[in-house]
Amino acid sequence: KAGVTQTPRYLIKTRGQQVTLSCSPISGHRSVSWYQQTPGQGLQFLFEYFSETQRNKGNFPGRFSGRQFSNSRSEMNVSTLELGDSALYLCASRPLTSGGRETQYFGPGTRLLVL
Amino acid sequence: DQQVKQNSPSLSVQEGRISILNCDYTNSMFDYFLWYKKYPAEGPTFLISISSIKDKNEDGRFTVFLNKSAKHLSLHIVPSQPGDSAVYFCAARWNSGNTPLVFGKGTRLSVIA
Repeated sequence: KAGVTQTPRYLIKTRGQQVTLSCSPISGHRSVSWYQQTPGQGLQFLFEYFSETQRNKGNFPGRFSGRQFSNSRSEMNVSTLELGDSALYLCASRPLTSGGRETQYFGPGTRLLVL
Repeated sequence: DQQVKQNSPSLSVQEGRISILNCDYTNSMFDYFLWYKKYPAEGPTFLISISSIKDKNEDGRFTVFLNKSAKHLSLHIVPSQPGDSAVYFCAARWNSGNTPLVFGKGTRLSVIA
């Protein structure tokens, strides 16, 4: 089975611009989560989508948004970029069966640099 | 408010010895815990998990111990190998998977040959 894929892998933007990142989950996985990783901050949860609906949301400003398509692929968008948005953005997928005792698998991430 | 804490930012261990990575949590509702390993420029890779109904889970060289009363878990790697050098993240979840994973800030393990 192919793993979680993310595009693009690297991105350079300037302040004020917007950016869209894409994630394709593992086949059969219906839940997609997004995380931001910055140095010294670990992985901070952005949001989770399941069946095209946002089911959980982290503590990020409204400039960060996402969506999920019927094929479970997901995109996240960051508008009005700030220097502090420079980070590694990670996407993760899981089947989301009952019980929740399941592993979440991560993609390689998109490295965003805001200048 | 950091619910999952990894208080050691880094750890150095000699090859062949035991590596012990620690993680503390504050939310007593957490019922499932995972460890991930991350190399630079890659996404985190799942290592091992443990449910709150257990106190130990073993997978090859990796063993995770859970002490619920102390709200503490640890990952033991025996024997440590140079390829184990990476950042290790502890993560936790509650409410039977309906809530997102909460991660610690990671511990950088260096295994010295």
